[in-house]
Amino acid sequence: EVQLQQSGAELVKPGASVKLSCKTSGYTFSNYYMSWLKQMPGQNIEWIGNIFGGNGGTGYNQKFKGKATLTVDKSSSTAYMDLSSLTSEDSAVYFCARQGRSSYPFAYWGQGTLVTVSS
Amino acid sequence: DVQMTQSLSYLAASPGESVSISCKASKSISNYLAWYQQKPGEAYKFLIYSGSTLQSGTPSRFSGSGSGTDFTLTIRSLEPEDCGLYYCQQYYEKPFTFGSGTKLEIK
Repeated sequence: EVQLQQSGAELVKPGASVKLSCKTSGYTFSNYYMSWLKQMPGQNIEWIGNIFGGNGGTGYNQKFKGKATLTVDKSSSTAYMDLSSLTSEDSAVYFCARQGRSSYPFAYWGQGTLVTVSS
Repeated sequence: DVQMTQSLSYLAASPGESVSISCKASKSISNYLAWYQQKPGEAYKFLIYSGSTLQSGTPSRFSGSGSGTDFTLTIRSLEPEDCGLYYCQQYYEKPFTFGSGTKLEIK
């Protein structure tokens, strides 16, 4: 069974950074892409970017370049997303979601991680 | 970016009825359209891809149609567990974009 287990909720101060994780199981991590998505309360879901589990190759939504950095650790089948220079606009639920190829739909999703940016 | 519009934000229907949820793209996306369901406390569920192909495990009462710019998700013989939020998403080009969602309530 494919599972994507995301890290717990984060409360971070403005200007700080946070690293979210998405630990996977039930499939060969290096054969698939992992996307990250953002959903602010009452807002549309936004695609941040994706990363290939095999070689760490990335593609980003221009809007999130400089804000998000995607990495993977193949040894633990885990994907990570670093968010930097956080502001209130970064307060949202962040999801990881698996794709079969870089431009395929999101077949499996994590449960989401709530990030709250507040002093 | 391709804008995806779900004009209906809320829909209510009774068990056994049928409903249709529409989704419109700001440009032609061929059939690169997926549908998802979100229920509180649960992960998003992938329902349909290529506009009309049911993902494995999606009940046959769900169907999708459309191509180009106009798409529809139809749910026949509604069941109580069909309540939730439904989103369309285009994967024709990056950045991938989503509709704003349609909340389905089962009376």
